[in-house]
Amino acid sequence: DSGVTQTPKHLITATGQRVTLRCSPRSGDLSVYWYQQSLDQGLQFLIQYYNGEERAKGNILERFSAQQFPDLHSELNLSSLELGDSALYFCASSPLSGVSRGEQYFGPGTRLTVT
Amino acid sequence: GDSVTQMEGPVTLSEEAFLTINCTYTATGYPSLFWYVQYPGEGLQLLLKATKADDKGSNKGFEATYRKETTSFHLEKGSVQVSDSAVYFCALYSDRGSTLGRLYFGRGTQLTVWP
Repeated sequence: DSGVTQTPKHLITATGQRVTLRCSPRSGDLSVYWYQQSLDQGLQFLIQYYNGEERAKGNILERFSAQQFPDLHSELNLSSLELGDSALYFCASSPLSGVSRGEQYFGPGTRLTVT
Repeated sequence: GDSVTQMEGPVTLSEEAFLTINCTYTATGYPSLFWYVQYPGEGLQLLLKATKADDKGSNKGFEATYRKETTSFHLEKGSVQVSDSAVYFCALYSDRGSTLGRLYFGRGTQLTVWP
């Protein structure tokens, strides 16, 4: 158990809909990262937040957005969903921005299926 | 830009066989290097790391040495077990400029070990 929790575990929705994925980092970790894992694209970094502020952006679509709240939990919002958005979405956390040097703790993931 | 290339899988071995999974990287500056492992149905877990040239990371019988001259970080294990069956990801951590806080992952290598 990494200490990172993600809800829901599975999500099935229709094209055009909007969903919110939730992540609670390990106790004390200030950085949260979101990743998308699919068979064709592999593991893609989406976005990082540190103590409530956006710190790094990867291959995140404009239809996707995220935020980190004062209690450090984070939400990833996916809108106008397309079939190609079906994937595993992972959240990871680490104690410090930059200084952590890549040691990240991953949650179990949310499997999103868009029909 | 920074990137990681790891050998394509899948890799299938018999129990007690020797394992090598090749990983090479491209980076400016002095990245840290990691191997993460993903067991079926789970998130990624940090397996081992090396933060500077000639460092050897090791854990659970797995080893990898940070070779700056060949820009490589190959994963090895002398005698694999069925329980080692998983997907292995090589990763690079870069903290230069706008990429602060970012892990770059390889595509992953599926390892299956047969009894």
